[in-house]
Amino acid sequence: NAGVTQTPKFRILKIGQSMTLQCAQDMNHNYMYWYRQDPGMGLKLIYYSVGAGITDKGEVPNGYNVSRSTTEDFPLRLELAAPSQTSVYFCASSWRGALSGANVLTFGAGSRLTVL
Amino acid sequence: AQKVTQAQTEISVVEKEDVTLDCVYETRDTTYYLFWYKQPPSGELVFLIRRNSFDEQNEISGRYSWNFQKSTSSFNFTITASQVVDSAVYFCALSEALLAGGTSYGKLTFGQGTILTVHP
Repeated sequence: NAGVTQTPKFRILKIGQSMTLQCAQDMNHNYMYWYRQDPGMGLKLIYYSVGAGITDKGEVPNGYNVSRSTTEDFPLRLELAAPSQTSVYFCASSWRGALSGANVLTFGAGSRLTVL
Repeated sequence: AQKVTQAQTEISVVEKEDVTLDCVYETRDTTYYLFWYKQPPSGELVFLIRRNSFDEQNEISGRYSWNFQKSTSSFNFTITASQVVDSAVYFCALSEALLAGGTSYGKLTFGQGTILTVHP
């Protein structure tokens, strides 16, 4: 049981390049999320998904796109990378607990992206 | 809008000292959840505890304890007899309100984090 797997762990991009951060979970979780963590800051929600085919914007969605074609995968696409997107990106997932209310997030190990 | 404030940016203690990490939150929701996550030097985020707004009972788990006070909108975390392995960044987080049907999307609003360093 791998949990939440993110690839790549590290990546350096040039300004204007595009790339996709991959995220996969094997826990059959309904909900998936992408957060970014900037130095000295908490995590900010970029996008989230409540199930295959359904995505919605979080707090800081500009410059990113997501898709959710399967329950397991939730890739994050960066178009036209900018230095402001230099950050550590975390993918997370959670189960839709019917009675417990708020869901406990399981996080991936993170992907460190540098845009030069 | 929801907001979580961790006023302590960094705390440094010597092993075996007790340490309390402060968390103050703002929300207009009457129903919400509070969380603490730990981020050790390896970088992954580890879930520690979840409390709901209906339950102000404080909790102790080994060397960890949590003090939830709705009247002051605080959810503080205390480590007793700290150890070097407790060195990490600790995040307090707040969830959105429950949706109809008793679930939420689990979207969390995080505080800025407190860097705890425990020296031997």
